[in-house]
Amino acid sequence: QKEVEQDPGPLSVPEGAIVSLNCTYSNSAFQYFMWYRQYSRKGPELLMYTYSSGNKEDGRFTAQVDKSSKYISLFIRDSQPSDSATYLCAMSNYGGATNKLIFGTGTLLAVQP
Amino acid sequence: DAGITQSPRHKVTETGTPVTLRCHQTENHRYMYWYRQDPGHGLRLIHYSYGVKDTDKGEVSDGYSVSRSKTEDFLLTLESATSSQTSVYFCAISDKGQVYEQYFGPGTRLTVT
Repeated sequence: QKEVEQDPGPLSVPEGAIVSLNCTYSNSAFQYFMWYRQYSRKGPELLMYTYSSGNKEDGRFTAQVDKSSKYISLFIRDSQPSDSATYLCAMSNYGGATNKLIFGTGTLLAVQP
Repeated sequence: DAGITQSPRHKVTETGTPVTLRCHQTENHRYMYWYRQDPGHGLRLIHYSYGVKDTDKGEVSDGYSVSRSKTEDFLLTLESATSSQTSVYFCAISDKGQVYEQYFGPGTRLTVT
């Protein structure tokens, strides 16, 4: 079993829809939770990070962490065609440089105009 | 891409040949990382550096070596390339080494035939 599981999609939604992207994990020691966006043939771009449990909002994006269920989500409101990309979740036990960052395999999102 | 360049961007090489990939940054960040991205595996850390001449192994370091003689350059060498090293390689940088502040370069697509 992988430490981090992510549905590969593809997920296709109409423009303006609310998108929910999710990851589950098995390591209860994870405390840092990140979401990256990766456009085709580009490097990952950090969208948001959350420490421990709770919600964090940034514009149209909301990240949620439920540590009791070992489940994290990224919500995108009013989705736009420019949101079409692969979304990667990533997690770590601690915040420091020597600690391993575990990535999900990514969910491919297509927002149809 | 946060002042990060990678070269070459694409390379095709034959099994058994040595290959060196270069990551160059203009941000003067202390920490630099090499990842590989493969379908079904997500991003996996190969090696990282926490300063000039200071490097350490990551999750998938076998068959790879690195060097960092200047703050701005981090080299990844495949001593004798194998087909299993066909992948997309990403460099990342971080100022303070926090897992939630890694910024990725555009990637190098390597094919070993």
